[in-house]
Amino acid sequence: QKEVEQDPGPLSVPEGAIVSLNCTYSNSAFQYFMWYRQYSRKGPELLMYTYSSGNKEDGRFTAQVDKSSKYISLFIRDSQPSDSATYLCAMSLYGNNRLAFGKGNQVVVIP
Amino acid sequence: GAVVSQHPSWVICKSGTSVKIECRSLDFQATTMFWYRQFPKQSLMLMATSNEGSKATYEQGVEKDKFLINHASLTLSTLTVTSAHPEDSSFYICSALKPGALQETQYFGPGTRLLVL
Repeated sequence: QKEVEQDPGPLSVPEGAIVSLNCTYSNSAFQYFMWYRQYSRKGPELLMYTYSSGNKEDGRFTAQVDKSSKYISLFIRDSQPSDSATYLCAMSLYGNNRLAFGKGNQVVVIP
Repeated sequence: GAVVSQHPSWVICKSGTSVKIECRSLDFQATTMFWYRQFPKQSLMLMATSNEGSKATYEQGVEKDKFLINHASLTLSTLTVTSAHPEDSSFYICSALKPGALQETQYFGPGTRLLVL
């Protein structure tokens, strides 16, 4: 079993729809959870950063962490064509800066 | 914000030559930087951890004599691909660790695309 599982997609949605992405993980010791957005041929860009369980909202983006289920989610409201990218989940242990990445989920928002 | 730059953004070289890639943290100091490799439609593969003032720590299976890392200052790490071969062609991405309130966070550079002919 991989440490972090993420469905690679691709996921196609019409403009304005809600995009729902998720990752599951096996190591219950993970404490920090991140979502990165990566455009084609570019480096990943940090979108959301959460610590432990709970929700965090930033504009159109909401990140959720459910540690009891070892499940994290990213929601994008009112999706735009500019949201078309690959979204990578990542997580780390307390006191350890190494990131465990999901495979990345390609999202296509159709105008 | 946290800005990390890489140079060059792309490079084409002949087989057998060496290529140096620079990674700079522009608005913060980073004692630790990371080097990743990414194949098409794949996630990032950690190659090594670069520590300012000390030797880099390489992941299992990564040849340290092939991929030389130098972290000369708190804002600069370099990766040199020595005697490059076509199989070294890839997308190389660095990240720099920025201190935070809870934990340090990795901020990534834009990547360097290497093509070895």
